[in-house]
Amino acid sequence: DAKTTQPPSMDCAEGRAANLPCNHSTISGNEYVYWYRQIHSQGPQYIIHGLKNNETNEMASLIITEDRKSSTLILPHATLRDTAVYYCIAPPLRSGGFKTIFGAGTRLFVKA
Amino acid sequence: KAGVTQTPRYLIKTRGQQVTLSCSPISGHRSVSWYQQTPGQGLQFLFEYFSETQRNKGNFPGRFSGRQFSNSRSEMNVSTLELGDSALYLCASSLGQAVNEQYFGPGTRLTVT
Repeated sequence: DAKTTQPPSMDCAEGRAANLPCNHSTISGNEYVYWYRQIHSQGPQYIIHGLKNNETNEMASLIITEDRKSSTLILPHATLRDTAVYYCIAPPLRSGGFKTIFGAGTRLFVKA
Repeated sequence: KAGVTQTPRYLIKTRGQQVTLSCSPISGHRSVSWYQQTPGQGLQFLFEYFSETQRNKGNFPGRFSGRQFSNSRSEMNVSTLELGDSALYLCASSLGQAVNEQYFGPGTRLTVT
């Protein structure tokens, strides 16, 4: 997997946008960037993934730089329920399935 | 569509015993991955199964094993339990194609005493 680097923690005010950065400077041209989050004591939840273009779904937006060396997950209007650990991963594209390596992630605290 | 289910949700075992955990993937998903999560080591990949075959394996001792059945349900087994095996064990299912997202179950909390 391409190595990803994330800040260990971030704060965000409720109702404001939360912008979570991820550095993946060693990513290969065909490797996707995936974001998951884990709310305390629950299994991780898939959020979004992208390759080159920016992506948006009902949960978040993903902005990937043109050189693909970094990306930003945007939660447009953070709520207290968005407090969680957010993981950015870039598993290798292989025909032989997954060997997904999760890092420490970013612990996001949404404050009222 | 029902999500990933794991049984049991909680388990207490004694050192030296063995344990079997079960995972039922989302209908239509053919890939099942297992992870161990501890406060000290974070989320660590154990192995991945697809069509009853182990495709990938993490860096865990041979005491950790798994299998997948023809209906894609999967089990993992840990033999000769050690105190350090206390963890949250998570399984995740996916379609199994090269690029797709994984959906996690709620996990099984294993405590070894």
